[in-house]
Amino acid sequence: KQEVTQIPAALSVPEGENLVLNCSFTDSAIYNLQWFRQDPGKGLTSLLLIQSSQREQTSGRLNASLDKSSGRSTLYIAASQPGDSATYLCAVNQAGTALIFGKGTTLSVSS
Amino acid sequence: GAVVSQHPSWVICKSGTSVKIECRSLDFQATTMFWYRQFPKQSLMLMATSNEGSKATYEQGVEKDKFLINHASLTLSTLTVTSAHPEDSSFYICSAQGPAGGGRVAGELFFGEGSRLTVL
Repeated sequence: KQEVTQIPAALSVPEGENLVLNCSFTDSAIYNLQWFRQDPGKGLTSLLLIQSSQREQTSGRLNASLDKSSGRSTLYIAASQPGDSATYLCAVNQAGTALIFGKGTTLSVSS
Repeated sequence: GAVVSQHPSWVICKSGTSVKIECRSLDFQATTMFWYRQFPKQSLMLMATSNEGSKATYEQGVEKDKFLINHASLTLSTLTVTSAHPEDSSFYICSAQGPAGGGRVAGELFFGEGSRLTVL
């Protein structure tokens, strides 16, 4: 059974810092890995999707990497801003199946 | 990207009543949809896989008679919480798998906005 773990559970940083969120999964036979953002009381916003054949994806200040063989992914946020404060969720699936989510990392960026 | 819509966004009901939540894929056909539940400060937990034209597949520990899922068309799945109780209060989110093409990645899942259920 696939399990997804995210470290750290919570993170507080001052504005401007670069930071890394970690995600690991137990079954390396994944199809896609997605990173989401969730604001309190809201739904999910998809940030980046990495297919199993890919190593990384970038969108603006966000960069996600995937090491499928070791079961790890990182989300790098450059020059963090208070507006980046949210919970970041990592999720993986196999072909045609549901995404399995980690418990998330709650990020707080202070101005 | 593809759009998945949920309705209602939030609902408050009395204990013992039934509540229906709709999940629609607006610009693509989805043979498979997924229903998740999220309790406060918890992650999303998969409840069931909804397959068009066939019975849903429920995850272990999810009561199929409590959470009725109907996927009658390729664009609509419904989740009905029957005889709701306060412990059913949660955030319910649906997801649909879009087809590849048109800028979409094969196997990419798109999520609805979520429906917050409060049972008094």
